[in-house]
Amino acid sequence: SQKIEQNSEALNIQEGKTATLTCNYTNYSPAYLQWYRQDPGRGPVFLLLIRENEKEKRKERLKVTFDTTLKQSLFHITASQPADSATYLCALDFYNQGGKLIFGQGTELSVKP
Amino acid sequence: GAVVSQHPSWVICKSGTSVKIECRSLDFQATTMFWYRQFPKQSLMLMATSNEGSKATYEQGVEKDKFLINHASLTLSTLTVTSAHPEDSSFYICSARPLGTGGFNEQFFGPGTRLTVL
Repeated sequence: SQKIEQNSEALNIQEGKTATLTCNYTNYSPAYLQWYRQDPGRGPVFLLLIRENEKEKRKERLKVTFDTTLKQSLFHITASQPADSATYLCALDFYNQGGKLIFGQGTELSVKP
Repeated sequence: GAVVSQHPSWVICKSGTSVKIECRSLDFQATTMFWYRQFPKQSLMLMATSNEGSKATYEQGVEKDKFLINHASLTLSTLTVTSAHPEDSSFYICSARPLGTGGFNEQFFGPGTRLTVL
C-alpha cells in the first residue's frame, strides 16, 4: 500500500543544535518533494522544493536531501532557534499529475532556549 | 505577493445546514486550486482539485454531492459543505497554483477555515 511517514510526532532540541526531520515513503514515485512549515491554526507555508535529480538543496539555515533509491528525504535546520518551533510537513509532489500534493502527518519541532 | 485568503476564518453552524467557504488568490491568477481537510494532529488530506471553468476532480472517498466545489474565475474557488454534520467539523484549507508556473508546482496556501458543526 502507499504510505508516507515522518519521524516521531514530536522532536525536542536545544537552541543552537541541528534539527533533523525524516520523511519516508513507499509505493509512490513523486517528481519532486516539498517541505512546509505549519503553525497552529494556520495554513502551511512553503519552505523548499527538491527535484528527483537533485541530491541536496539549501536555503539559509535549511537543507534538504532527497534519495529516490531509499525513498527518503531529510530536512535539516542548523543553528535552531525557538522561533523555528512549529510542525514541519513533507509533501510528495506530483506536478505532472495535475499538481497533486500528498502530505505526511508532520513532525512537531520544539526548540528550547 | 502570492497571498491566498479564505473566508470565513471560522464558522459554527447547526447540523443539517450548508456552509460556503471562499478561497481567493489576491495578487495572482490561479489555474488550479486545491481543497484540503485537516483533523487535529493529522496531516492535510487532499479532497479535490479545482480547475477554472471545469468540474472539480475529487479524491477517492470524498462525496462530490456533499462537498460542492465551484471555480468560477481565476481568483476564486468556493467549497460548499452541504447538510453538514458534526463529523464534518474540521479545518479546511485551500491552496492555489499560479498561472504560468510551468513545471514548478509551487502552491500558496490560505490561512484555513475552522468549521464546527453542532
